[in-house]
Amino acid sequence: QKEVEQNSGPLSVPEGAIASLNCTYSDRGSQSFFWYRQYSGKSPELIMSIYSNGDKEDGRFTAQLNKASQYVSLLIRDSQPSDSATYLCAVLDTGRRALTFGSGTRLQVQP
Amino acid sequence: DTEVTQTPKHLVMGMTNKKSLKCEQHMGHRAMYWYKQKAKKPPELMFVYSYEKLSINESVPSRFSPECPNSSLLNLHLHALQPEDSALYLCASSQDSGGGGHYGYTFGSGTRLTVV
Repeated sequence: QKEVEQNSGPLSVPEGAIASLNCTYSDRGSQSFFWYRQYSGKSPELIMSIYSNGDKEDGRFTAQLNKASQYVSLLIRDSQPSDSATYLCAVLDTGRRALTFGSGTRLQVQP
Repeated sequence: DTEVTQTPKHLVMGMTNKKSLKCEQHMGHRAMYWYKQKAKKPPELMFVYSYEKLSINESVPSRFSPECPNSSLLNLHLHALQPEDSALYLCASSQDSGGGGHYGYTFGSGTRLTVV
């Protein structure tokens, strides 16, 4: 069973700080990685995707990928209370041709 | 249209009932998915349809029966469910049939199912 691991949190940061969310995965052959945000009772919403080693920036969000270490991270700069949600890391399982999700990290941004 | 529409949003059913969940997308996506999500857990894959054909069944009990009548529509037929089947049922679609490739999924808003 291919696995995606995340710290469940909660991760608590003050407003305006940088939140750092981490994810590791077991399938060394994985090529596509995604971060989803899920508010309580709502469906997941795609924030970022990343396929190449290094950093990818989109507004306040930066995704980082290190395939050698099988590690993906998401940085949220200038965190806002509205960023408080569960962040799901997802990895494309090329065998099943479907996404496998981590258990999610709950982020709390304190005003 | 960049949405995946799921109906109903909420459903309460008895263990002897038969009901169906519906999912629709008009983005021309080639693959559609059903996921089940229990509280404080990640979404778990149930079924994958690729080009209207069932390509993945994650050993889901037969009381869940998927159907893909056309490229835009995906149904999940429910029969003789158990209380432990209560969960958020998520439909998703992706542009390519490779599981989302470079684009990931677009999720519907989900159906909150309660089995009594």
